[in-house]
Amino acid sequence: AQTVTQSQPEMSVQEAETVTLSCTYDTSESDYYLFWYKQPPSRQMILVIRQEAYKQQNATENRFSVNFQKAAKSFSLKISDSQLGDAAMYFCASLIPLSGTYKYIFGTGTRLKVLA
Amino acid sequence: NAGVMQNPRHLVRRRGQEARLRCSPMKGHSHVYWYRQLPEEGLKFMVYLQKENIIDESGMPKERFSAEFPKEGPSILRIQQVVRGDSAAYFCASSPRTGTNYGYTFGSGTRLTVV
Repeated sequence: AQTVTQSQPEMSVQEAETVTLSCTYDTSESDYYLFWYKQPPSRQMILVIRQEAYKQQNATENRFSVNFQKAAKSFSLKISDSQLGDAAMYFCASLIPLSGTYKYIFGTGTRLKVLA
Repeated sequence: NAGVMQNPRHLVRRRGQEARLRCSPMKGHSHVYWYRQLPEEGLKFMVYLQKENIIDESGMPKERFSAEFPKEGPSILRIQQVVRGDSAAYFCASSPRTGTNYGYTFGSGTRLTVV
């Protein structure tokens, strides 16, 4: 089965602090990619970070970084120096080949609150 | 360079009516994907289309739902005889070619409310 699990429905972090959002996935594919998306109240899906499964090096984008543990099928997102604008729903997703194309499998999301 | 455009942004329909959701992909993109987000859930794949062709509709409900992407004009997701359970946000994504693993560009979604 192709699944993505986010076990934290909601997280809170103090402004300027660091927070880690958890994600585990399950796939039988060897060719797959992992993503974190941010969804603010505007509903726009904003790409935060992307990781290629064949790369061992963890992806980083400014204040955002991932801890990719391939054997454990874990893909957590770390947000450093949290800002009020980081408050949003965060979705973990795998992009896997299915039926001749690539499809996303999304987790159920983690709502991040940033406290001033 | 406009992104993926979806309209309307909000759509209210009474039970039994038809809903038509439109998606204009990014310029130069010929592949369109529709996803549905139920309340408090992640996005779930519905259908993948290229111009004039449905490539994969494995996520589409068997009845009342249809999608098209004509040679000219936007992609349309059509829901006939809507029911309360169809209330959701419907997202469209596009890509320039199949198999791109860089991720797709999403529109802002259409929130359908069935009353």
